[in-house]
Amino acid sequence: EVQLVESGGGLVQPGGSLRLSCAASGFTFTTYWMSWVRQTPGKGLELVANIDQFGSEKHYLDSVKGRFTISRDNAKTSLYLQMSSLRDEDTALYYCVRRGEAFDIWGQGTMVIVSS
Amino acid sequence: DIQMTQSPSTLSASVGDRVTITCRASQSIIEWLAWYQQKSGRAPTLLISKASILGSGAPSRFSASGSVTEFTLTISNLQPDDFATYYCQQYYTYPYTFGQGTTLEI
Repeated sequence: EVQLVESGGGLVQPGGSLRLSCAASGFTFTTYWMSWVRQTPGKGLELVANIDQFGSEKHYLDSVKGRFTISRDNAKTSLYLQMSSLRDEDTALYYCVRRGEAFDIWGQGTMVIVSS
Repeated sequence: DIQMTQSPSTLSASVGDRVTITCRASQSIIEWLAWYQQKSGRAPTLLISKASILGSGAPSRFSASGSVTEFTLTISNLQPDDFATYYCQQYYTYPYTFGQGTTLEI
């Protein structure tokens, strides 16, 4: 079964850091671009970051550039999002997503709450 | 950034109805458009890619068309399971952007 399972979300203070992880299974991980997409009631769905199969090409949402870093470990079939200098507006449900034909596989999401 | 605008924001319909949702892009995205369905408390799932290609697992009562800046998603013979929120997304250029969503309610 194709599956993406996120972990690492939680409550963090403004200015703090958090690392999200995504464990992929059931498909050839090295074949696909991978992404982090977040969802909030106010802004809806936003593509936060995107990484190619080799970890060499990355794209970021403007508002997270310089603060978030996407990476992957193909040997562990895992995707990561290192988040630092977190702001209130980063509060969201973060999904790990496979980029196949569009965004074809989504994890269940992990919640990040930035609050003092 | 390319703005994606869906209409209507909310749509009321009944089981058995045929409904259409429209998505407009602020500039040409050729056919690089996807549609997703999201049920309450669940992650989105892919319905349509490349403007009109039905995703694996998506029922055949879903269809879609369009190109350049105008796109539509049609659901024929609405089933109870179809009442959800639908999003369009362009993946022609970064940052990939989503519409604000259309909630289909009974």
